[in-house]
Amino acid sequence: AQSVTQLGSHVSVSEGALVLLRCNYSSSVPPYLFWYVQYPNQGLQLLLKYTSAATLVKGINGFEAEFKKSETSFHLTKPSAHMSDAAEYFCAVTAGGSQGNLIFGKGTKLSVKP
Amino acid sequence: DSGVTQTPKHLITATGQRVTLRCSPRSGDLSVYWYQQSLDQGLQFLIHYYNGEERAKGNILERFSAQQFPDLHSELNLSSLELGDSALYFCASSVSSGRRNEQFFGPGTRLTVL
Repeated sequence: AQSVTQLGSHVSVSEGALVLLRCNYSSSVPPYLFWYVQYPNQGLQLLLKYTSAATLVKGINGFEAEFKKSETSFHLTKPSAHMSDAAEYFCAVTAGGSQGNLIFGKGTKLSVKP
Repeated sequence: DSGVTQTPKHLITATGQRVTLRCSPRSGDLSVYWYQQSLDQGLQFLIHYYNGEERAKGNILERFSAQQFPDLHSELNLSSLELGDSALYFCASSVSSGRRNEQFFGPGTRLTVL
């Protein structure tokens, strides 16, 4: 069965510092992986997705993620944090078989200090 | 703005009651997914409809049901409500039912059961 583990429910960085949010997956089939961001009182917005093309995926707002099969990881990074990046971030994998529904990690809340 | 609309935005009701949540997918999208977000369970998949047909069920209670209409909008019906049903309910739409297609989320309906 597919699953996602996000290490760290809360990450705090200073403005301008590197952002690293960790995601490890388990999948019985080649995975399709996604990162979503949720701002307070809003829905989820897609940051980026991995669908078996390039292993380094670039997304919106300067975020990128690297798919590492050997480590079953799909960590999200941004070189320089901005105050507006404060939000909750969710890693997700699509379910197995032909199902397209998403299985989400528990989320990581990112705080950015001035 | 994802192009997915959900109504109502907020819903406050009492235990034992029945409510209907509505979702309109993005223009051209045939798939609608419903998810529940709660503090203790996180984001969980409930049910998926594609072009009017039920495609997959997740952790959806028997008291809950859904349908997708010919115009592709979807409704999630929650009955015999309990305090534990209080949560944020999201719908997401996708162009098809495949695993690699990204899902676009609506702003959610916040349900409070008193």
